[in-house]
Amino acid sequence: AQSVAQPEDQVNVAEGNPLTVKCTYSVSGNPYLFWYVQYPNRGLQFLLKYITGDNLVKGSYGFEAEFNKSQTSFHLKKPSALVSDSALYFCAVTHSGSARQLTFGSGTQLTVLP
Amino acid sequence: DSGVTQTPKHLITATGQRVTLRCSPRSGDLSVYWYQQSLDQGLQFLIQYYNGEERAKGNILERFSAQQFPDLHSELNLSSLELGDSALYFCASSVDGAPDSPLHFGNGTRLTVT
Repeated sequence: AQSVAQPEDQVNVAEGNPLTVKCTYSVSGNPYLFWYVQYPNRGLQFLLKYITGDNLVKGSYGFEAEFNKSQTSFHLKKPSALVSDSALYFCAVTHSGSARQLTFGSGTQLTVLP
Repeated sequence: DSGVTQTPKHLITATGQRVTLRCSPRSGDLSVYWYQQSLDQGLQFLIQYYNGEERAKGNILERFSAQQFPDLHSELNLSSLELGDSALYFCASSVDGAPDSPLHFGNGTRLTVT
């Protein structure tokens, strides 16, 4: 079975400060990890993915994520938060041999305060 | 804009009724996915099609069915509707249906069962 945990329902950060949204996962085999963002009344938008290679993955809108195999984590980061980054963020996991599709975490609401 | 089109945007119907949700994938994408998003269950994978064939099944109820047509658009049929079926239903598409391919989501159909 595969699962994702996003331990924080809500993250608040001041504009200009660095942000981190946490994600841990459980999967058999090598994980494929994704981050998606959802703005109000919209569908999810793909931000970035880790499949293999460099543990630091860069994605859209200045976001990056660090894959840590020993801690089974894939935290989303951004050096300087913008008010427009306020949204719901989802981590998701699957693996190469998976007949199942992406399993999503419960989501973390990020609020960037001006 | 993801390029995935879902209709209708909103649907209000009564218990026991049947509805059809429609999805046009992004141009060039061969695989279509259906997800259900609700406050208590989060994002749940329902079903995946690839080039007209069912590829994977998730937590889809027997009262629900789907298909993908030769022009690659897809329909999700929900019958004998219950109050608990009220949710946001998302369609997503990917180019090849592989586990490492990002999903592109539509803006969803909000179903309200009264």
